Amino acid sequence: AQTVTQSQPEMSVQEAETVTLSCTYDTSESDYYLFWYKQPPSRQMILVIRQEAYKQQNATENRFSVNFQKAAKSFSLKISDSQLGDAAMYFCAYRSAPTGANSKLTFGKGITLSVRP
Amino acid sequence: GAGVSQSPRYKVAKRGQDVALRCDPISGHVSLFWYQQALGQGPEFLTYFQNEAQLDKSGLPSDRFFAERPEGSVSTLKIQRTQQEDSAVYLCASSLKGTGFNVDEQFFGPGTRLTVL
Repeated sequence: AQTVTQSQPEMSVQEAETVTLSCTYDTSESDYYLFWYKQPPSRQMILVIRQEAYKQQNATENRFSVNFQKAAKSFSLKISDSQLGDAAMYFCAYRSAPTGANSKLTFGKGITLSVRP
Repeated sequence: GAGVSQSPRYKVAKRGQDVALRCDPISGHVSLFWYQQALGQGPEFLTYFQNEAQLDKSGLPSDRFFAERPEGSVSTLKIQRTQQEDSAVYLCASSLKGTGFNVDEQFFGPGTRLTVL
């Protein structure tokens, strides 16, 4: 079974600064997908960014980028130019490759990010 | 283009009562997932539907939990004889395609917060 570990329960960042959220995972599969989800206090989970394991290039979405280290099974999220609206709980998630597999997501425990004005 | 909706948003039940939680996925979405999110934790997979077929129910914690999606659209998660440990937020998610296709985004609903007294 796959596991996802987020060891930092909370982090804080100054507005306009950069913050990195850590995530490690364990799997015996070679093909899979990794995600970062944002969950604001209203609880609607929103996809931030995703990475396909077969791609060596790190995914980027505007101010959000990842550092994907497949050998180390590490998948960190970097938020640049932090904004007050970035304050939320962030979850790292794993999904097996789609072929013949369940599409379920396996989540870490999450990290609460606060942004200081 | 409404998103995933869930009702009720909040439910308080006395221990031993039966509850039914509803999920309206995005129209036309083939896949539907239920997750359970305990306080301060990441969501955990409960069950998965592809159209009306329940392809995976491995995450259901006990036989008190039952889910259905009879017409391949709306889904209901039923919990019989509720216990205090059932208190959690129940999240529903849908995605356009079924398993076996390219990975597509899971869109989450706002969740139902169940409190069992």
